[in-house]
Amino acid sequence: ETGVTQSPTHLIKTRGQQVTLRCSSQSGHNTVSWYQQALGQGPQFIFQYYREEENGRGNFPPRFSGLQFPNYSSELNVNALELDDSALYLCASSFLVQETQYFGPGTRLLVL
Amino acid sequence: EDQVTQSPEALRLQEGESSSLNCSYTVSGLRGLFWYRQDPGKGPEFLFTLYSAGEEKEKERLKATLTKKESFLHITAPKPEDSATYLCAVQAPGGGATNKLIFGTGTLLAVQP
Repeated sequence: ETGVTQSPTHLIKTRGQQVTLRCSSQSGHNTVSWYQQALGQGPQFIFQYYREEENGRGNFPPRFSGLQFPNYSSELNVNALELDDSALYLCASSFLVQETQYFGPGTRLLVL
Repeated sequence: EDQVTQSPEALRLQEGESSSLNCSYTVSGLRGLFWYRQDPGKGPEFLFTLYSAGEEKEKERLKATLTKKESFLHITAPKPEDSATYLCAVQAPGGGATNKLIFGTGTLLAVQP
């Protein structure tokens, strides 16, 4: 059984640029959630996708957007990058919305 | 406001020295409490889910317990490979999502040989 995978592993961008992060959910999982983890902090919920629809959003501005595809993989897009966007971005998948979330290895984003 | 607080922030143990990590929470309508282990630069690894007060789960040297206001992660006779950050999270409704996880800031555990 393949776990959650994310790409790329590391990324360096400059302020104002746009970035797309990708996530492949665990086999059989139809729900994907995205989290931002700053250094020394716990993960913060960005949004969740269930069957290609956004199923809830945390306290993040609209420049954070996402997609879920028919195979349940997902993308996180961030426009107009700011220095504070530097963080570890985590994707988690679950079998159903209310089930246990399993995390991928994360994408480390550095904004200069 | 839903909130999770973990203590201590950091804990240093000698190999074999048992201890407990604390997770206190305030949430409207707890749907589950989760413990994860996170190694540096990696994603959280799932350990346990607890749903109701009085519930206990065990895995190797780890045991998680739940009351109405807090959870404990007991570590018995730890080994150096248990060194990691342990994250506690509660599952709560809100923002339209029925499976949003609210995390604490974690406890950084270091086990010395």
